[in-house]
Amino acid sequence: AQSVTQPDIHITVSEGASLELRCNYSYGATPYLFWYVQSPGQGLQLLLKYFSGDTLVQGIKGFEAEFKRSQSSFNLRKPSVHWSDAAEYFCAVGAGTGGFKTIFGAGTRLFVKA
Amino acid sequence: GAGVSQSPSNKVTEKGKDVELRCDPISGHTALYWYRQSLGQGLEFLIYFQGNSAPDKSGLPSDRFSAERTGGSVSTLTIQRTQQEDSAVYLCASSFDAGSGGEQYFGPGTRLTVT
Repeated sequence: AQSVTQPDIHITVSEGASLELRCNYSYGATPYLFWYVQSPGQGLQLLLKYFSGDTLVQGIKGFEAEFKRSQSSFNLRKPSVHWSDAAEYFCAVGAGTGGFKTIFGAGTRLFVKA
Repeated sequence: GAGVSQSPSNKVTEKGKDVELRCDPISGHTALYWYRQSLGQGLEFLIYFQGNSAPDKSGLPSDRFSAERTGGSVSTLTIQRTQQEDSAVYLCASSFDAGSGGEQYFGPGTRLTVT
């Protein structure tokens, strides 16, 4: 069965520092992969997605993620974190035809310190 | 354009009562999903509808939970005989059928509190 693991429950980084959030998935075929962000009091918003092609995908707000098939990973990165990036981040894998049944990881909460 | 809307935004109910949560997806989106997010937890998949196909109910936690989607648009999630462990935020999302790869647009959620 497909699953998503986000090993870090929470991460704290200093403003301006780089960020990497880890995500590992389990799925038998090439998955559809997503990162969503949930800011305090806000709904979930898609940051980026991967379906095929270039394994490095760019998203909104300066985020990028790299799909590594050999490691079953889809880690999210940002070179310089801003205080407004403090939020909960969810990795997700879409299974089935068109990736419709989506399984979410437990989330990683990002804290940004001044 | 309008996004996904959900009502009510907050619902407080007594244990044992039935509740109905409503979701209005984005017009033209053929897929609709329900999730549950408990305090400090990730999103728990409940059910999804895709066009006229039979819904995938594999995530419903018990037979007290049911959902329907009328006319391929509005959906209602019903919880019967609510329990305190049903307290959570219930999120609805919709996605377009083709070309999006399942990118989902989320509503603001309904916060359910069972007392």
